[in-house]
Amino acid sequence: DAGITQSPRYKITETGRQVTLMCHQTWSHSYMFWYRQDLGHGLRLIYYSAAADITDKGEVPDGYVVSRSKTENFPLTLESATRSQTSVYFCASSEWSGNTEAFFGQGTRLTVV
Amino acid sequence: SQQGEEDPQALSIQEGENATMNCSYKTSINNLQWYRQNSGRGLVHLILIRSNEREKHSGRLRVTLDTSKKSSSLLITASRAADTASYFCAILTGGGNKLTFGTGTQLKVEL
Repeated sequence: DAGITQSPRYKITETGRQVTLMCHQTWSHSYMFWYRQDLGHGLRLIYYSAAADITDKGEVPDGYVVSRSKTENFPLTLESATRSQTSVYFCASSEWSGNTEAFFGQGTRLTVV
Repeated sequence: SQQGEEDPQALSIQEGENATMNCSYKTSINNLQWYRQNSGRGLVHLILIRSNEREKHSGRLRVTLDTSKKSSSLLITASRAADTASYFCAILTGGGNKLTFGTGTQLKVEL
């Protein structure tokens, strides 16, 4: 099915563990984004990518790593999870950055204990 | 810091009334977008207004843009209970590649 999917939908991990959140889109959109959503902060941009092998930092990149070896995939890795990274994470894609609409995944709720 | 700020943070109205939400931003823009988020779901695009446009309509939605005041408003006319959601504005920053969102307005439409 066409669309953008995130996995897992829910994840509980321990402090200090590495965890990877997956994002896959079927439209071959150039741009992909990772956001975190916390109460009182709205959505904050973590990383974004303009194309395969091109990534750049957003507003809150510390503690996160991304890669984009294929256009359709944009995984987000927390190298050593901290409690402050407990959040809902959203992946999005768009054909051309903000000049066209962005399509969002359903989100991953991550809890770090 | 986030580029967009919505006002009010929360809004409660009766079904049939109009709802107005405002967005202020700090930088020059190419366009401004509005998104909707139902509880527990991802965001859904509503409307995009370009910097050379002053007003745009889509169904019951009306968006205005005032680039001199760096502000936009979203009007939902004849609101329905199903319009209950959070609404976010989004702008491009970082040379046109970063899509950043405001903090959102929580709208509750009561029967």
